Amino acid sequence: QSVLTQPPSASGTPGQRVTISCSGSSSNIGSNIVNWYQQLPGTAPKVLIYSNDERPSGVPDRFSGSKSGTSASLAISGLQSEDEADYFCEAWDDGLNGPVFGGGTKLTVL
Amino acid sequence: EVRLVQSGAEVKKPGESLKISCKGSGYIFTSYWIAWVRHMPGKGLEWMGSINAADSDVRYSPSFQGQVTISVDKSISASFLHWSSLRASDTAMYYCARRRYGDSPQTFFDPWGQGTLVIVSS
Repeated sequence: QSVLTQPPSASGTPGQRVTISCSGSSSNIGSNIVNWYQQLPGTAPKVLIYSNDERPSGVPDRFSGSKSGTSASLAISGLQSEDEADYFCEAWDDGLNGPVFGGGTKLTVL
Repeated sequence: EVRLVQSGAEVKKPGESLKISCKGSGYIFTSYWIAWVRHMPGKGLEWMGSINAADSDVRYSPSFQGQVTISVDKSISASFLHWSSLRASDTAMYYCARRRYGDSPQTFFDPWGQGTLVIVSS
């Protein structure tokens, strides 16, 4: 059981907007930044969103992140087939004194 | 280009020892922490521990303290994850990843190695 809770799956059609949620507690999301990672099939994870809503250079602005209280969300607009991947959220946990992850959400583009 | 390249897949028997590696390039290796992350089949990612490549200061997750040893060799810009006695439950994909801004609440993992698959089976 992962410390952060994500839906195991999500789906959408090309062009749609989808959101993926990440729920935590006061000891992690509630008091620290949230990061999101994308793992394309057969590849290593890569950072997609850091510090709640910042995009690294090279990440399209179709991807956006937000945080409110003890939950965070990743939004993908203008869905494309190449967005089909696993998405993980991550935040520092003050009790663990280390990072914790969500269980991952498998996004399918129909 | 900043890269972390991990050693290849391993198939081992229970009770055997194993050391996998993660070699950094394209950046000053000793300026960053390296973390190790476990990904078991069908499960989420788990932080195992992090090491400061400058002075080998190591922080372990309580779940992995005493189960593995994380080390670094600055001379070859590499970090290692070592098991002295493997168990079937250690079967997983293991990733190394650079901690972007130290090992703190304000950082993230970037980049990640390609992963090393470890299979432990009799």
